Amino acid sequence: EAQVTQNPRYLITVTGKKLTVTCSQNMNHEYMSWYRQDPGLGLRQIYYSMNVEVTDKGDVPEGYKVSRKEKRNFPLILESPSPNQTSLYFCASSPSKQGRLEVNTEAFFGQGTRLTVV
Amino acid sequence: LAKTTQPISMDSYEGQEVNITCSHNNIATNDYITWYQQFPSQGPRFIIQGYKTKVTNEVASLFIPADRKSSTLSLPRVSLSDTAVYYCLVGDNTSGTYKYIFGTGTRLKVLA
Repeated sequence: EAQVTQNPRYLITVTGKKLTVTCSQNMNHEYMSWYRQDPGLGLRQIYYSMNVEVTDKGDVPEGYKVSRKEKRNFPLILESPSPNQTSLYFCASSPSKQGRLEVNTEAFFGQGTRLTVV
Repeated sequence: LAKTTQPISMDSYEGQEVNITCSHNNIATNDYITWYQQFPSQGPRFIIQGYKTKVTNEVASLFIPADRKSSTLSLPRVSLSDTAVYYCLVGDNTSGTYKYIFGTGTRLKVLA
């Protein structure tokens, strides 16, 4: 079954304790991205990756890191989480061609990770 | 920067047709228009996509006028399970690479 898998689904952590949220897709998609969703603000892009070893900042990258060592995985790293990073996070993947995202294709989203930083 | 504008919320009754309009004045020539549906605590789910005129699938129809500066998602005969947030997206090509940009979406509430 084609899917995007995020782990964990729920996480409560303390300020400053490094954490990683994993994202894996089984569709051989080149493009992957991370979003956070907050009430009244909709979905905002954090980072995206057009292909292996190619990552770029989205609209709200501060406080986050990503890596793309393999095509299927795109972990989101919070080196020193703060309470303002409490949010619902989504990973997404989509095909791209020649390094450019094909916007005429469907993006697949994971089920989300609800993060609480206290 | 490509940006979409949608109504914040809409109410409808079961069995009615619902039309949600999205404004995207800065749409680029190569951009497609895509609509997603999101239920609470779930990831967005693809509904329909189009470039111009009209597209229809088993779930919805998408109407795009000739100037492509707006689009309308049409949901025929909605049911309670269609209560969700609906997002309109266009590709952002202003930086040389495409990326999806979500607006705040339209919260549709279907009433019995």
